[in-house]
Amino acid sequence: DTGVSQNPRHKITKRGQNVTFRCDPISEHNRLYWYRQTLGQGPEFLTYFQNEAQLEKSRLLSDRFSAERPKGSFSTLEIQRTEQGDSAMYLCASSSDRLVITTEAFFGQGTRLTVV
Amino acid sequence: AQSVSQHNHHVILSEAASLELGCNYSYGGTVNLFWYVQYPGQHLQLLLKYFSGDPLVKGIKGFEAEFIKSKFSFNLRKPSVQWSDTAEYFCAVNALNQGGKLIFGQGTELSVKP
Repeated sequence: DTGVSQNPRHKITKRGQNVTFRCDPISEHNRLYWYRQTLGQGPEFLTYFQNEAQLEKSRLLSDRFSAERPKGSFSTLEIQRTEQGDSAMYLCASSSDRLVITTEAFFGQGTRLTVV
Repeated sequence: AQSVSQHNHHVILSEAASLELGCNYSYGGTVNLFWYVQYPGQHLQLLLKYFSGDPLVKGIKGFEAEFIKSKFSFNLRKPSVQWSDTAEYFCAVNALNQGGKLIFGQGTELSVKP
């Protein structure tokens, strides 16, 4: 499968614990995005990387959230001191702008986080 | 700030009925426009996209959408829906100076009765 891969698919954690999610983008894509989706809502942008550089962070991304993309390949999203309000589906997407035309974003299946 | 509004939260149709889902966005500059679909238990998949050129774009599975710049709209249409079209549909906008970031509408859940 050459699509966007996210791990784990599901995560249940106790409030106050730290969690880390991983995203492996499509290999030739240089852009990587994180979104959060709650029930009944569309995905909300969190942050994005162009290669290894984090170019934009949403105001939704509090200080407890940190994302990295070492070497411009896979990315991790860490949430520290989780709160019940962090419960959501976390989506990763990738795209490419290496050619003249930017491709659309391709999404992974997401990591569903439940904070109890 | 940019925003995307989808007019209907839940649409229920019988098979063979025609479909139109509304999408309006607020942004004064040049945009790319997308419709994504999420079938039950699956990831978001692209239905169709508009970057430039002919404002009537055709996508997969018989879907099409029309970009009307003066109305800031990008409505999705299908002449005859099937039970397998049951899914959630998301309209999304990307402003050309925003690095590929997508702003999504809240989604429309489509239920097609067999």
